[in-house]
Amino acid sequence: GAVVSQHPSRVICKSGTSVKIECRSLDFQATTMFWYRQFPKQSLMLMATSNEGSKATYEQGVEKDKFLINHASLTLSTLTVTSAHPEDSSFYICSASGVQDHTEAFFGQGTRLTVV
Amino acid sequence: KNQVEQSPQSLIILEGKNCTLQCNYTVSPFSNLRWYKQDTGRGPVSLTIMTFSENTKSNGRYTATLDADTKQSSLHITASQLSDSASYICVVSPSSGTYKYIFGTGTRLKVLA
Repeated sequence: GAVVSQHPSRVICKSGTSVKIECRSLDFQATTMFWYRQFPKQSLMLMATSNEGSKATYEQGVEKDKFLINHASLTLSTLTVTSAHPEDSSFYICSASGVQDHTEAFFGQGTRLTVV
Repeated sequence: KNQVEQSPQSLIILEGKNCTLQCNYTVSPFSNLRWYKQDTGRGPVSLTIMTFSENTKSNGRYTATLDADTKQSSLHITASQLSDSASYICVVSPSSGTYKYIFGTGTRLKVLA
């Protein structure tokens, strides 16, 4: 299957700072990328959907000014957690869907964010 | 409301044994149903994907079944290995033209030596 790479895999930041997470499709062009959040022992919760070259669509309850999403190219989307709080500590996962095949979405390996 | 429920929540088995995980869904209509394996601290990896017209799909020691009439799916793991210890997530895609998957809460499997 296609490869989606997420970076960093782990990050620790101080409260009030911002942190950027990258999601790259390595061997295909991703028209759509999804960002999820996962709390311990819970399932993935969709935060937002981003399409290349347009603004992201956020799920209800997700603050767009806090979770900035940029999908500037067909191979890269970024999620920036601004003014991070300890409650933002979570596992963030991206997935990408390709230009040729919209039926499959491939997941990144996830980013463990800890805000101290 | 579209929902995907999985059972059991957690399961412990001995290495070499078989096990079956269950998934019930209310998503209708739906495009496909997938089973993912998620290791701790990692992203989900696809095991099987079935459309509504398929009844079974195998991937090595993993066999998924689907009954679209009863809206049930199962994932059978044969001859379990220690590396099978993970969360297994059932995911349903509505046939609404979007990619908003409906995720189950997962079954956490622990395989003991």
